[in-house]
Amino acid sequence: EVQLLESGGGLVQPGGSLRLSCAASGFTFSSYVMSWVRQAPGEGLEWVSSLGTSVGKTYYSDSVRGRFTISRDNSKNTLYLQMNSLRAEDTAVYYCANSVISWGQGTLVTVSS
Amino acid sequence: DIVMTQTPLSSPVTLGQPASISCRSSQSLVHSDGNTYLSWLQQRPGQPPRLLIYKISNRFSGVPDRFSGSGAGTDFTLKISRVEAEDVGIYYCMQASQFPLTFGGGTKVEIK
Repeated sequence: EVQLLESGGGLVQPGGSLRLSCAASGFTFSSYVMSWVRQAPGEGLEWVSSLGTSVGKTYYSDSVRGRFTISRDNSKNTLYLQMNSLRAEDTAVYYCANSVISWGQGTLVTVSS
Repeated sequence: DIVMTQTPLSSPVTLGQPASISCRSSQSLVHSDGNTYLSWLQQRPGQPPRLLIYKISNRFSGVPDRFSGSGAGTDFTLKISRVEAEDVGIYYCMQASQFPLTFGGGTKVEIK
């Protein structure tokens, strides 16, 4: 059974940093494009970033490029999202997904003073 | 960026009756590899999204056969042949043919 478990969310002040993790199991992690998608309270889905199976293949939305960094550790079956210079508009539930096939339960990030 | 436009915004349906959701993309979703990466996701209240349909018309594992997808190019449709109570939620179309990945605004399916 595919499982994706996000962690690392929480309350952070504007300008602060957080690192999200997504622990994957039940599939060959290294073979899949992995993505982060977020959902602001009461809003729709917004793609944030994706990481290909090949080294260097990273993709970011314009809203996070230069502030967020996606990475993976295939030896630990874990996906990461380093989020710096956080803004109030980054407040959302962050989901990880393997090629949008399976989704985790999400982790809530709240950016507020 | 490819803009995904869904209609209607809301779809009140009687139990057992059909429902249909349309999704239009601002440009063709045919990828250079010949595939069209158009998916439909369901999000029940308080739950994460769940994949229903991928590549226009392929039902994902475990998805009931009352759900079907169709379309081509820039126009796509999700149909529920007979709506059940567990189908209540928001439905999103999504394209993965090119980055940035983009989602439709969502269609809320509710019971009349």
